[in-house]
Amino acid sequence: QLVLTQSPSASASLGASVKLTCTLSSGHSSYAIAWHQQQPDKGPRYLMKLNSDGSHSKGDGIPDRFSGSSSGAERYLTISSLQSEDEADYYCQTWGTGILVVFGGGTKLTVL
Amino acid sequence: EVQLLESGGGLVQPGGSLRLSCAASGFTFSSYAMSWVRQAPGKGLEWVSAIRGSGGGTYYADSVKGRFTISRDNSKNTLYLQMNSLRAEDTAVYYCAKTITVTTWGAFDIWGQGTMVTVSS
Repeated sequence: QLVLTQSPSASASLGASVKLTCTLSSGHSSYAIAWHQQQPDKGPRYLMKLNSDGSHSKGDGIPDRFSGSSSGAERYLTISSLQSEDEADYYCQTWGTGILVVFGGGTKLTVL
Repeated sequence: EVQLLESGGGLVQPGGSLRLSCAASGFTFSSYAMSWVRQAPGKGLEWVSAIRGSGGGTYYADSVKGRFTISRDNSKNTLYLQMNSLRAEDTAVYYCAKTITVTTWGAFDIWGQGTMVTVSS
């Protein structure tokens, strides 16, 4: 069974950078994922699709401050030059025949 | 502008039924698989159901299998979720989401704003 693991919370200072992690369960390190942002009281917003080789394609209008990378079973979302509006919940998602669709538990990012 | 707009949520008693709709615009609706995703109050995202672009294949999470039915009307650019035998644990905001590619499974690149379903007596 494929499971995506995310830390429940993260924090970083205004203007700093933060790296969020999504870990694929054993045997699934080749899977691509997507990152989504959910600001308070809003629906999710697609940020990017991130492949196992670290290549990624961002959604329309997503700032260059958002980038993705991969290492083994880990998928990262790095946000640089943090702004107050980046305070949100971040979810990873994966998919496939048989596993259908799976979400990670989400990481709540606090901008200090 | 690419947009998804859900409607049909509300308060329903346990055991009752509700039908959600999702109106799509700004893209070739029939080409893309679509999904319903829900979020219980204070909780994370949970995938509920998906349907192929042609409507020829439907898929469900175990938690709703046998109670919910996903469908689409490509002539109306509209996605539906028929929810029967509703339980308190079905209480959530329900989002529709578009798959980024024309294949059945992929990243969700467009999300609606959500519609709230409350199951309570």
